[in-house]
Amino acid sequence: QQQVKQSPQSLIVQKGGISIINCAYENTAFDYFPWYQQFPGKGPALLIAIRPDVSEKKEGRFTISFNKSAKQFSLHIMDSQPGDSATYFCAASRQNRDDKIIFGKGTRLHILP
Amino acid sequence: EAGVAQSPRYKIIEKRQSVAFWCNPISGHATLYWYQQILGQGPKLLIQFQNNGVVDDSQLPKDRFSAERLKGVDSTLKIQPAKLEDSAVYLCASSLAGLQYFGQYFGPGTRLTVT
Repeated sequence: QQQVKQSPQSLIVQKGGISIINCAYENTAFDYFPWYQQFPGKGPALLIAIRPDVSEKKEGRFTISFNKSAKQFSLHIMDSQPGDSATYFCAASRQNRDDKIIFGKGTRLHILP
Repeated sequence: EAGVAQSPRYKIIEKRQSVAFWCNPISGHATLYWYQQILGQGPKLLIQFQNNGVVDDSQLPKDRFSAERLKGVDSTLKIQPAKLEDSAVYLCASSLAGLQYFGQYFGPGTRLTVT
């Protein structure tokens, strides 16, 4: 019940295309869903996050879509650029300062120039 | 604002040896986390501190791993003795308070190789 399942494991997209990464969770108590971006040799950095009271959140070229009934959420990167090439992790936690955050296994994204 | 600092960046040891990692969180951040990231996987929380008290260490292998956060600032993570399966990147992160409201900031990590 604590798992967050992420797919695909790797993704190759042409420059200018849309990158889509999907995640699913089981624990209905989760109510905070962040996405992290990690470049080689760096720690993960928070990209965008959503709470289940909204179905979509957009920040620039990055959009999270959230489907509470299906217990799924996804990251869409519009107009993908070579600089977006990184590993992306979805995560989930409960709205409690002491609750740990559960990460997916990651998606390695490569944008072709 | 300075980020989370970690040292060393890389460490190679033989199995059964001991190793220690150091983390200096962002100034004023009360919450400090240690994660283990095995190649090809997401970070897994090992231990979470709130100031100098332990909040969660349920996934810390306590027979070989130990961590402390003296004076509620810097922290050290120790492995003794190391096993081959401990090869991973050890990430330190900090948060002002609740991660949902203030975010969680990661350091660059220490890459440990156990041979």
